Amino acid sequence: GESVGLHLPTLSVQEGDNSIINCAYSNSASDYFIWYKQESGKGPQFIIDIRSNMDKRQGQRVTVLLNKTVKHLSLQIAATQPGDSAVYFCARAGGYNKLIFGAGTRLAVHP
Amino acid sequence: DTAVSQTPKYLVTQMGNDKSIKCEQNLGHDTMYWYKQDSKKFLKIMFSYNNKELIINETVPNRFSPKSPDKAHLNLHINSLELGDSAVYFCASSPREGGSPLHFGNGTRLTVT
Repeated sequence: GESVGLHLPTLSVQEGDNSIINCAYSNSASDYFIWYKQESGKGPQFIIDIRSNMDKRQGQRVTVLLNKTVKHLSLQIAATQPGDSAVYFCARAGGYNKLIFGAGTRLAVHP
Repeated sequence: DTAVSQTPKYLVTQMGNDKSIKCEQNLGHDTMYWYKQDSKKFLKIMFSYNNKELIINETVPNRFSPKSPDKAHLNLHINSLELGDSAVYFCASSPREGGSPLHFGNGTRLTVT
């Protein structure tokens, strides 16, 4: 069946460290992946996306890596800041741009 | 200049009542969605509309009826509310049906007592 899941429900990091949030997916037909950040009381906010013809994509302080062989997706946040504290979701685009979300990882950044 | 706006932000009501949640987007997008987020933060699609036409209906009880008067609006009406309907409901929009990120509103927290 289709599923997108996360390895770690909660990740605690020190301010300034790099964070890595992992995600596994089961449907090999997936061709578009997205990372979202959700702060308390707000809706999911788009961070970065990647298509299946790419292995890596970089944004400002964020990098997404896609390993299609093992069906694994990761989000790397460089120099993590307190403002990065939130719940992070990976999602896979299904038919008609239906997004199938993972369970979410809470990132807690400590000073 | 809110891109996707939902009203109300909070909705508290009793079982058996009928309620509506409104959503509007000013991004010029053709596709709009309703998602439900449960107490464990799991997000699941409910409906998708493209230019006022229903595209996705994810086995949602027929007590839930979306209505799209135009492509900038997608409202959600819920009849005979049940305790299990308590959740946060998110509206979203995207410029086209495939391969583009969704823009989400800030959610409506529905509490059924």
